[in-house]
Amino acid sequence: RKEVEQDPGPFNVPEGATVAFNCTYSNSASQSFFWYRQDCRKEPKLLMSVYSSGNEDGRFTAQLNRASQYISLLIRDSKLSDSATYLCVVNMGPGGGNKLTFGTGTQLKVEL
Amino acid sequence: EAGVVQSPRYKIIEKKQPVAFWCNPISGHNTLYWYLQNLGQGPELLIRYENEEAVDDSQLPKDRFSAERLKGVDSTLKIQPAELGDSAVYLCASSLQGDSYEQYFGPGTRLTVT
Repeated sequence: RKEVEQDPGPFNVPEGATVAFNCTYSNSASQSFFWYRQDCRKEPKLLMSVYSSGNEDGRFTAQLNRASQYISLLIRDSKLSDSATYLCVVNMGPGGGNKLTFGTGTQLKVEL
Repeated sequence: EAGVVQSPRYKIIEKKQPVAFWCNPISGHNTLYWYLQNLGQGPELLIRYENEEAVDDSQLPKDRFSAERLKGVDSTLKIQPAELGDSAVYLCASSLQGDSYEQYFGPGTRLTVT
C-alpha cells in the first residue's frame, strides 16, 4: 500500500462547479497534512495546511478525518485558473523520520 | 524576497556523463531538501539538510548520487555517472525549520539523459 494515495484523475469540470478530491494515508502516526498545487511544468506551491477541525480559505475547504486516515479538498465555484495538479502531502511523524511524503497528485481541468 | 534559486533550469547530457545541480535557498531557511520528480508522480525526497548536516539521506542512491551543503547555505547535487533512468526534474526546496513548516520550492532542473 502506498504511503499517500490519490486518484490521479483527470477531473474535468465546468467552470463554476464544485469538485472534491480525497487522499488516504497509511501511517496513523502522521502529524501534519497539506495540500500543494502544481501547475504544468512549474514547482509545487503550498495551497493550504489541513487542520483537525477543518479549515477554509476562500473557495477552498480542507478536512481531515484521522479515524479513517483521509484528507479532502473541496473547491467551490471552480475557475479556469484552478486547473492544476493538487498534491496531497503528509508529514509521516517521528516513525517516518518526520519527512514529508507527497501523493502522486490529482489533475484538475476546469473548462468553459 | 527572492525565492529558491536553482540552476541550470535544463540540462541534456549523455549517459555515463557527470552532472551537477545548484540550489540557493531562501535566506534564513535552515532546512534544505532535494527532491526528484518523475512525470505524473509527486516529488520524492532524496536528501534533507538541517544547516550543513544531512539528517535524512536514506533515499539517496549513494553509488552515483552525492550532495553537499557547505556553510549551511547553498547546496549542490551531483550524479556520476548519469543513467537513462535519471531523467527527471530535480527540485530543491527550503523551509525555516523541519518538515512541519511550509516548504518553498525552486523552479527545478529538468534533466534529460540520452
